[in-house]
Amino acid sequence: GQQVQQSPSSLVLQEGENAELQCNFSSTATQLQWFYQSPGGSLVSLLSNPSGTKHTGRLTSTTVTKERRSSLHISSSQTTDSGTYLCAIDPGANTGKLTFGHGTILRVHP
Amino acid sequence: EAAVTQSPRNKVAVTGGKVTLSCNQTNNHNNMYWYRQDTGHGLRLIHYSYGAGSTEKGDIPDGYKASRPSQENFSLILELATPSQTSVYFCASGDPGSNERLFFGHGTKLSVL
Repeated sequence: GQQVQQSPSSLVLQEGENAELQCNFSSTATQLQWFYQSPGGSLVSLLSNPSGTKHTGRLTSTTVTKERRSSLHISSSQTTDSGTYLCAIDPGANTGKLTFGHGTILRVHP
Repeated sequence: EAAVTQSPRNKVAVTGGKVTLSCNQTNNHNNMYWYRQDTGHGLRLIHYSYGAGSTEKGDIPDGYKASRPSQENFSLILELATPSQTSVYFCASGDPGSNERLFFGHGTKLSVL
């Protein structure tokens, strides 16, 4: 079965609203990263958060390792936040190999 | 910011032909990766490398070879391209095993006719 499941599969917001994206994984994760993929296709790592809570700009990620879940909160969304958000884990013992979820497609309307 | 450059950006190949996708990184990362991205499958790991001279099989290595001649360069080789290898290919560098971010190239769109 799929090791990394993301929800929702898509989300539509009005500019200024907050977004909550979820990532659940079926194996122990030694690493967890959130990525943003632009509509043009380029991929950018947003943050690495294998456990606990981490903030960067308008993004907050909370990972509860023993419950095998992570969330990404986007506050005060902007139209430029539109794109696909991917969660990835390293299910091995720090092998450096990431397994990706299928992503959440976010659309922010002005 | 680490730079990962892929070439070509687009490629059309014929079935049975040989295709080489190239990747260059300038941040002195030890680890490099090749992924493919397809609708319904997400990103899947093909091959990866821990340093010059090393190549390791990822989750879907069949039909692909990899070469890491130097710290900066990592190539993906399709000796006999098939239409099922039509996809978008991403190269990445970094060391997520040490809690570091992974940096991706812009992708190569490959069509095998």
